[in-house]
Amino acid sequence: DQQVKQNSPSLSVQEGRISILNCDYTNSMFDYFLWYKKYPAEGPTFLISISSIKDKNEDGRFTVFLNKSAKHLSLHIVPSQPGDSAVYFCAASAWSQGNLIFGKGTKLSVKP
Amino acid sequence: ETGVTQTPRHLVMGMTNKKSLKCEQHLGHNAMYWYKQSAKKPLELMFVYNFKEQTENNSVPSRFSPECPNSSHLFLHLHTLQPEDSALYLCASSQDQGTSNHNEQFFGPGTRLTVL
Repeated sequence: DQQVKQNSPSLSVQEGRISILNCDYTNSMFDYFLWYKKYPAEGPTFLISISSIKDKNEDGRFTVFLNKSAKHLSLHIVPSQPGDSAVYFCAASAWSQGNLIFGKGTKLSVKP
Repeated sequence: ETGVTQTPRHLVMGMTNKKSLKCEQHLGHNAMYWYKQSAKKPLELMFVYNFKEQTENNSVPSRFSPECPNSSHLFLHLHTLQPEDSALYLCASSQDQGTSNHNEQFFGPGTRLTVL
C-alpha cells in the first residue's frame, strides 16, 4: 500500500505559466516533506522541504504548500522554465522512523 | 570529487555473474542508503547504514549483499541476479538517520543495471 502518492504521471505546461505538482499521503505520522527533482541520467536532487508545523515554504520560484487535514501537499513553480523539465518526486518521513518514503514521481514538461 | 559518486554508471551482467556496485560520499555524512528504482514504481529503499551499522534491510533478497566498510563507502554485491532485478540503483547519504531535520538525502547519479 503506497503511503505517498503522486497520481499524475506527467504534466505539460507552457513556459511562463504556473506548474502545480500534487502529492497525497496516508500516514498521519509523517511530519516532514521534501520535493526532489531528477534529470535523466542523474540522481534526484533536493529541491525544497516543509515541516508539518508550517503550511507554506517558499524558495524563489518554488513554493510548497501543505494541507495537513487533507494529507495533501503541492509544489508550485512560477514562472515555469524549460529547464524545469524533469521528474519530480515527493517524499515524506516521520520523526519516529527517519527514512524517506517516495512517490512514483511526476514528469514535468515545460514547453517554450 | 564532491557529493555522492557511484561506479559503474552502467552495468550489464548475466544471471550467473558476480559484480559489485560502489558508492562514495564526500559530504562527511554518517548515514548511507541503497535504493532501487524500477520503471513506474516509487524509489524503493533497500538498505540503510548509520554510523557503519546496518539499520534497515527492507526484505531484500539475499542475492543483494551490502557492505559498508566506513562512513564514506558503501557497496552492493550482486550474485545470481534475475532479469527482474534490472533497474536503476541509487545510493544516497544524509547527515545521519533518524531525525526529521536531517532527512535531506543527497543522491548519487545511479548505476543502470541490466541483467540478461
